[in-house]
Amino acid sequence: GNSVTQMEGPVTLSEEAFLTINCTYTATGYPSLFWYVQYPGEGLQLLLKATKADDKGSNKGFEATYRKETTSFHLEKGSVQVSDSAVYFCALGGGADGLTFGKGTHLIIQP
Amino acid sequence: DAGVIQSPRHEVTEMGQEVTLRCKPISGHNSLFWYRQTMMRGLELLIYFNNNVPIDDSGMPEDRFSAKMPNASFSTLKIQPSEPRDSAVYFCASTISGGGYNEQFFGPGTRLTVL
Repeated sequence: GNSVTQMEGPVTLSEEAFLTINCTYTATGYPSLFWYVQYPGEGLQLLLKATKADDKGSNKGFEATYRKETTSFHLEKGSVQVSDSAVYFCALGGGADGLTFGKGTHLIIQP
Repeated sequence: DAGVIQSPRHEVTEMGQEVTLRCKPISGHNSLFWYRQTMMRGLELLIYFNNNVPIDDSGMPEDRFSAKMPNASFSTLKIQPSEPRDSAVYFCASTISGGGYNEQFFGPGTRLTVL
């Protein structure tokens, strides 16, 4: 079956630091990959996605590249802000099927 | 667009009571998903519907859980009887299925506390 593994948190960084949140997956076929973000008290919002190998998803300064050879989809941002503090979920899936999520990584950015 | 609407936002009930969670998907979306979020297990897919038909309910934890989608604009998730271990945040999400992947849009969730 499908599974997603992402680094445990919390991850605490200073403002303007470089961010990497690791995500690896196990899947049958060729799923799409996603990063969702959850701000306190809210539902999940799609941050970025990639639908095939070597695709790079990007949004709001965040990037992730679909690496089939390493089954990874690591999230990166060059300079984080306090407003980026949230829980980040890596997920896989496709079409009309449900998504398989990682456990989530709580990111804390300190001023 | 109002987005996915869930009600209630918070529910506190006592063990043994029936709980009904409600979801209105985005108009025009034909797939609907119910997820549960807990600290221990993270986000889990419970069940999903395509065109109002349940497709996969393998994530429903027990027979105490049931879900319906009587029409394209409404779905319910019912727990009867509820137990303290059902305490969690329940999310509903919807999307347009068919013709490649489309983003799932999540509602704000219902925080359920079973005492």
